[in-house]
Amino acid sequence: DAKTTQPNSMESNEEEPVHLPCNHSTISGTDYIHWYRQLPSQGPEYVIHGLTSNVNNRMASLAIAEDRKSSTLILHRATLRDAAVYYCILRRLGEYGNKLVFGAGTILRVKS
Amino acid sequence: DAGVTQSPTHLIKTRGQHVTLRCSPISGHKSVSWYQQVLGQGPQFIFQYYEKEERGRGNFPDRFSARQFPNYSSELNVNALLLGDSALYLCASSLVPNTEAFFGQGTRLTVV
Repeated sequence: DAKTTQPNSMESNEEEPVHLPCNHSTISGTDYIHWYRQLPSQGPEYVIHGLTSNVNNRMASLAIAEDRKSSTLILHRATLRDAAVYYCILRRLGEYGNKLVFGAGTILRVKS
Repeated sequence: DAGVTQSPTHLIKTRGQHVTLRCSPISGHKSVSWYQQVLGQGPQFIFQYYEKEERGRGNFPDRFSARQFPNYSSELNVNALLLGDSALYLCASSLVPNTEAFFGQGTRLTVV
């Protein structure tokens, strides 16, 4: 399984943008980059995913480096509800087993 | 629309006992996966089922087993419980194996 590396924790002020980095230097050409988050006492929640191009949705943006060895999840205006553990996961195209390999993730703390 | 539902929400068992955890996927979803999340760690993949067949298995002992029923609901069974089996057990459903996974809130199992 290809491995991702994330900082253990980050802190942000409310209403400010947050950039959550992820390194995946062993990524292969068919690996999609997925982000999930887990709020306290809940199951993980899908945030966004991409392959090569930057992606935007209602929750966040995903910026992918040109060499695809790193990516950044961007929350444009952090709110207290965004405090969670954020997981960066590589998922292989065509891997029928479809498992998600979670690391320890980044604990995001949002200050009011 | 109902999300992924898991039962029970909490459970206390004694070492050596057997436990059955249940999961109902989102209506229309045919794939169910199970994950174990020990406190302070990311979820670890246990099983995936699709169309009632096992499609993937993680690195867990044979004490762990699962099955999927014709209505696509699923059960996770754990025999001969150990203290180390204490964890949050998460179920995730998806339309088919390689699509976005939606997680339930989990079953908190405590083995004493």
